[in-house]
Amino acid sequence: EAQVTQNPRYLITVTGKKLTVTCSQNMNHEYMSWYRQDPGLGLRQIYYSMNVEVTDKGDVPEGYKVSRKEKRNFPLILESPSPNQTSLYFCASSFRPRQGGYEQYFGPGTRLTVT
Amino acid sequence: EDKVVQSPLSLVVHEGDTVTLNCSYEVTNFRSLLWYKQEKKAPTFLFMLTSSGIEKKSGRLSSILDKKELFSILNITATQTGDSAVYLCAVSSYNTDKLIFGTGTRLQVFP
Repeated sequence: EAQVTQNPRYLITVTGKKLTVTCSQNMNHEYMSWYRQDPGLGLRQIYYSMNVEVTDKGDVPEGYKVSRKEKRNFPLILESPSPNQTSLYFCASSFRPRQGGYEQYFGPGTRLTVT
Repeated sequence: EDKVVQSPLSLVVHEGDTVTLNCSYEVTNFRSLLWYKQEKKAPTFLFMLTSSGIEKKSGRLSSILDKKELFSILNITATQTGDSAVYLCAVSSYNTDKLIFGTGTRLQVFP
């Protein structure tokens, strides 16, 4: 089954304790992206990657890191989480933008709480 | 600054009603506009629009894009309780590979 998986699905942690949220897709997609979703603010892009070893900042990259060492994986790293990073996080993937754009497939989401 | 504005923020209707959701945008070098449906989980793709005036249709849902006036509408006819969700609009630009989302329209359909 074609899908995007994220782990963990729920995470409660304390300020300053490094964490990683994994994302993996089995559709051979070049493009992968991380979003956070907050009430009233909608989905905001954190980082995205056009291919292996190529990553770019989205609209809200501060406090986050990513890596793309393999095509299928795109982990999100919070080196020193803070309470303002409490949010619902989505990973998404798609093929490279075609002439008209691209359809992104979303993972199930990770609800992160930082106390 | 690129932005996407959706209206209304929230909509409550009865089953069988027809609804129209709006999405207006400002983006440099527009490439495409996408609609997603989000229930209590991840967004799922509905439509991608790139050309003005060409309606995309899937069952009771349809959407059209106006690139001159910079907006799109999503129509849902004969609504059902299963249509209750947040509908998200997003745009992409040729200048960047980012996808910019609006804050969504929350639709509640009551029996």
